[in-house]
Amino acid sequence: NAGVTQTPKFQVLKTGQSMTLQCAQDMNHEYMSWYRQDPGMGLRLIHYSVGAGITDQGEVPNGYNVSRSTTEDFPLRLLSAAPSQTSVYFCASSYGTGNFLSLHFGNGTRLTVT
Amino acid sequence: SQQGEEDPQALSIQEGENATMNCSYKTSINNLQWYRQNSGRGLVHLILIRSNEREKHSGRLRVTLDTSKKSSSLLITASRAADTASYFCATVPTGANSKLTFGKGITLSVRP
Repeated sequence: NAGVTQTPKFQVLKTGQSMTLQCAQDMNHEYMSWYRQDPGMGLRLIHYSVGAGITDQGEVPNGYNVSRSTTEDFPLRLLSAAPSQTSVYFCASSYGTGNFLSLHFGNGTRLTVT
Repeated sequence: SQQGEEDPQALSIQEGENATMNCSYKTSINNLQWYRQNSGRGLVHLILIRSNEREKHSGRLRVTLDTSKKSSSLLITASRAADTASYFCATVPTGANSKLTFGKGITLSVRP
């Protein structure tokens, strides 16, 4: 079982470039989410999805798009990268939602925007 | 904004000692969870305690929850060097629409 797989592990972008961070899970989890982790800020929720075709915004959604066409995949798109988006990005999934929410994390994508 | 705040921010102990970490939160919750993050890795779920529970155990971990004080503590007994990591509390507020909110984390160093 691979769990939650994120690619790439590292990425450097120039300001204004776009890219997609990939996330896939093989646990048949309905819930998937994206967090960013910055020093001194903890983890902040960007977007989440409670099932295929359903997405919603988290705490810091600006500059990011998501879609959920399958249960397994939840890509995060940066539309026009900015230095403020330099961060470590984590994808996480959960079998349950609400009171049964318990996350399985990928190992992260470290993104640098110059 | 963070719902949970951990205390202390950093903790250094000797192997074999117990480590106690605290978390306070602001609004009523469905449950509170603790996660561990080793350097360069994703977070790993440790334990979940529901709002109607007061204490839970899992191996060397003991979690307590005091909803009247809006606080939780994580106790790691007989610590090992391998317990060196960052620890995060996370809450699911009531009526949260499936949003798990994390604190900023505690850095635990266990000296061999």
